Amino acid sequence: AQRVTQPEKLLSVFKGAPVELKCNYSYSGSPELFWYVQYSRQRLQLLLRHISRESIKGFTADLNKGETSFHLKKPFAQEEDSAMYYCALKAPNAGKSTFGDGTTLTVKP
Amino acid sequence: DTGVSQNPRHKITKRGQNVTFRCDPISEHNRLYWYRQTLGQGPEFLTYFQNEAQLEKSRLLSDRFSAERPKGSFSTLEIQRTEQGDSAMYLCASSLSGQAAYFGPGTRLTVT
Repeated sequence: AQRVTQPEKLLSVFKGAPVELKCNYSYSGSPELFWYVQYSRQRLQLLLRHISRESIKGFTADLNKGETSFHLKKPFAQEEDSAMYYCALKAPNAGKSTFGDGTTLTVKP
Repeated sequence: DTGVSQNPRHKITKRGQNVTFRCDPISEHNRLYWYRQTLGQGPEFLTYFQNEAQLEKSRLLSDRFSAERPKGSFSTLEIQRTEQGDSAMYLCASSLSGQAAYFGPGTRLTVT
């Protein structure tokens, strides 16, 4: 069974501080992993996917197969990063994605 | 094409009524997905289409729910005999095969 756990419902940091949003998954195999972000009053949008190995808006995420984690990190948080973040998992070649319940990030000035 | 669109954006209905939602995907996308989201939870998969074929349905999709994508373009999601537990945000997304999904703004359903 596929499962995604985001242990923190709420996360608050000060501007300029490092931020890490945790994501743990359960899947027997090699999944595709994604981070989606939803800014206030906007639709859900892709932030990054692990196979791209890219940095978007200063965020990176590394897949750790041993710990079955895909934590999202940014070294210096900005106020505009305040949003809801969802981690998602998809089996290769499948249609269905399984989402975590999200973490609300607040970056304080 | 400005992205995935959904209509209506809000729907209030009385228990027992039928409702239908429409999703227009990004035009070149062959895959279309429906998700449901309730407060405090992430999106839950309902079903997806590749072109006009419905390839997977979640157990969440009871007999009261039906989805179609007749020509491989837009899709409709119908809920018959609505119940209060159906109140949620219904999200549509589309993608090319093997690519990440682009989401629509959602249709918020309130069943009174």
